[in-house]
Amino acid sequence: AQSVTQLGSHVSVSEGALVLLRCNYSSSVPPYLFWYVQYPNQGLQLLLKYTSAATLVKGINGFEAEFKKSETSFHLTKPSAHMSDAAEYFCAVRPTGGGNKLTFGTGTQLKVEL
Amino acid sequence: EAGVAQSPRYKIIEKRQSVAFWCNPISGHATLYWYQQILGQGPKLLIQFQNNGVVDDSQLPKDRFSAERLKGVDSTLKIQPAKLEDSAVYLCASSLDQGYSYEQYFGPGTRLTVT
Repeated sequence: AQSVTQLGSHVSVSEGALVLLRCNYSSSVPPYLFWYVQYPNQGLQLLLKYTSAATLVKGINGFEAEFKKSETSFHLTKPSAHMSDAAEYFCAVRPTGGGNKLTFGTGTQLKVEL
Repeated sequence: EAGVAQSPRYKIIEKRQSVAFWCNPISGHATLYWYQQILGQGPKLLIQFQNNGVVDDSQLPKDRFSAERLKGVDSTLKIQPAKLEDSAVYLCASSLDQGYSYEQYFGPGTRLTVT
């Protein structure tokens, strides 16, 4: 079964600093990978997705992620954090063979400090 | 384009009571999903519909949870009787699932508290 592991349930950065949220996947074949953001009392919003095309994926709000097969990783980065980035971030995996079932990680709460 | 609608947004019930949640997906989306998100965890898929039919309900506790999607549009998720461990946010999502358009769009969720 496919799964993702998010390292660090809480990450704190200063405003303007680099954001790095870690996600490692477990799958026998490279899957489709996603990052979602969840603001308080809201549903999940897709930030970006990897679907076996370019390994460096750019998403909304200045976020990007790089698929590294050798490291089975799909870490999320943003060069300069903004206060509005404070939220919970979820990595998710989907099999490429269809079915569209997403399996989510446990999430990383990002705190941005002045 | 209107998003996924859910109601109610909040619900507080006592254990052993019943509760129902409603979801209206984005117009034209064939696939509808119900997720359970317990505090501190990622969402877990409970059931997936494609049009009227169930695609996956392997993680639905069928002794107390039920779901239906009449006419392939709206859906309801019911819990009867509720247990304390059912306290969670219940998220509904929908997707078009045509070509490469499989992105899931999420509603705001229903926060259930069982006391």
